[in-house]
Amino acid sequence: GAGVSQSPRYKVAKRGQDVALRCDPISGHVSLFWYQQALGQGPEFLTYFQNEAQLDKSGLPSDRFFAERPEGSVSTLKIQRTQQEDSAVYLCASSTGRVYNEQFFGPGTRLTVL
Amino acid sequence: AQSVAQPEDQVNVAEGNPLTVKCTYSVSGNPYLFWYVQYPNRGLQFLLKYITGDNLVKGSYGFEAEFNKSQTSFHLKKPSALVSDSALYFCAVTSTGGGNKLTFGTGTQLKVEL
Repeated sequence: GAGVSQSPRYKVAKRGQDVALRCDPISGHVSLFWYQQALGQGPEFLTYFQNEAQLDKSGLPSDRFFAERPEGSVSTLKIQRTQQEDSAVYLCASSTGRVYNEQFFGPGTRLTVL
Repeated sequence: AQSVAQPEDQVNVAEGNPLTVKCTYSVSGNPYLFWYVQYPNRGLQFLLKYITGDNLVKGSYGFEAEFNKSQTSFHLKKPSALVSDSALYFCAVTSTGGGNKLTFGTGTQLKVEL
């Protein structure tokens, strides 16, 4: 398929563990976004890459959250020392780069922190 | 700062009747408005967008939306609802000063009944 893929689809972590969430964007898409969707809420912006450059990380809730896209394609969102409030669905999206172009979303990773 | 309001948590409509899902927004600069639909355990799917030009935009699955600058609204409409339209609908906005990130509303659950 040519869509955005994310792995794993589900992740259960014990409080204090580190987790890494992967996103494979649509080939050729220069922009990549991470959003966090809490239960019953709309997605909230976390961070944005254009190619390998992280242009906006204003939505990352704490310094435990870290994202990278070293080669301008695949991206990883890492959460260190997970807390219960980190439980959410993490959505990745990609687009061709213009501000008015639609973002294409992956299926998300549901993170549950026990 | 940019924001979106979806005043209705749920909208119920009978199959075959017209439907409207409401959205209002606030941005600095020119708005770019989007509607997405989310089915259970699936990612967000793009429906339609407004960038500029004609205030009535048409999208996927027979949906359309009307941009109203004076009322800062972007309501989603469909002339004849189907049971299969039942899903969670999100309005989102970005702008020329928004840095590409989307700001979403809290979502409206649409239920279409026979």
